[in-house]
Amino acid sequence: QKEVEQNSGPLSVPEGAIASLNCTYSDRGSQSFFWYRQYSGKSPELIMFIYSNGDKEDGRFTAQLNKASQYVSLLIRDSQPSDSATYLCAVKGYGQNFVFGPGTRLSVLP
Amino acid sequence: DAGVIQSPRHEVTEMGQEVTLRCKPISGHNSLFWYRQTMMRGLELLIYFNNNVPIDDSGMPEDRFSAKMPNASFSTLKIQPSEPRDSAVYFCASTSQGSEKLFFGSGTQLSVL
Repeated sequence: QKEVEQNSGPLSVPEGAIASLNCTYSDRGSQSFFWYRQYSGKSPELIMFIYSNGDKEDGRFTAQLNKASQYVSLLIRDSQPSDSATYLCAVKGYGQNFVFGPGTRLSVLP
Repeated sequence: DAGVIQSPRHEVTEMGQEVTLRCKPISGHNSLFWYRQTMMRGLELLIYFNNNVPIDDSGMPEDRFSAKMPNASFSTLKIQPSEPRDSAVYFCASTSQGSEKLFFGSGTQLSVL
């Protein structure tokens, strides 16, 4: 069974700090990796995706992938209170099945 | 683009009643997913369709749940009879074949009393 695991949190960081969110996955056949952000009472929205080992940067967000360790992370630099949300890690193998982790709740304290 | 449209936004029903949730995917998307989200179990895939054909329904909890996609622009998820443990937020999502971007609807908050 394909599994995606995340620390449930909550993770609290002060405003301006770096928030680090981690995710591990069990299926070595996974091809694509995603980070979704979900505000309370809202639907998930895609913020980053990554396919290859290494880092991918987009503004204040950096996704990191290590397929050998089956590990993917999301770094948020200069964290803002508006970044407070639940962050969902998702993986996709061959085909269209997206498997989501349980999410990590992030709280950025002003 | 109107995005993925789900209805109703909220549904309150009594145990034993039939519930039908509706979804209109983004025009041009040919993959559609139904997810259920609870605090305890997170976001669980129930079923997904490619080109209106169900591909994987292994996440459907039991025979009380059924899903259909009669055409490319409409899908339903039906629960009959409903039970209190079905209370959750049900999301519909769509994407294009080969795309990596999954777009979610606003969800249906279901409460079964």
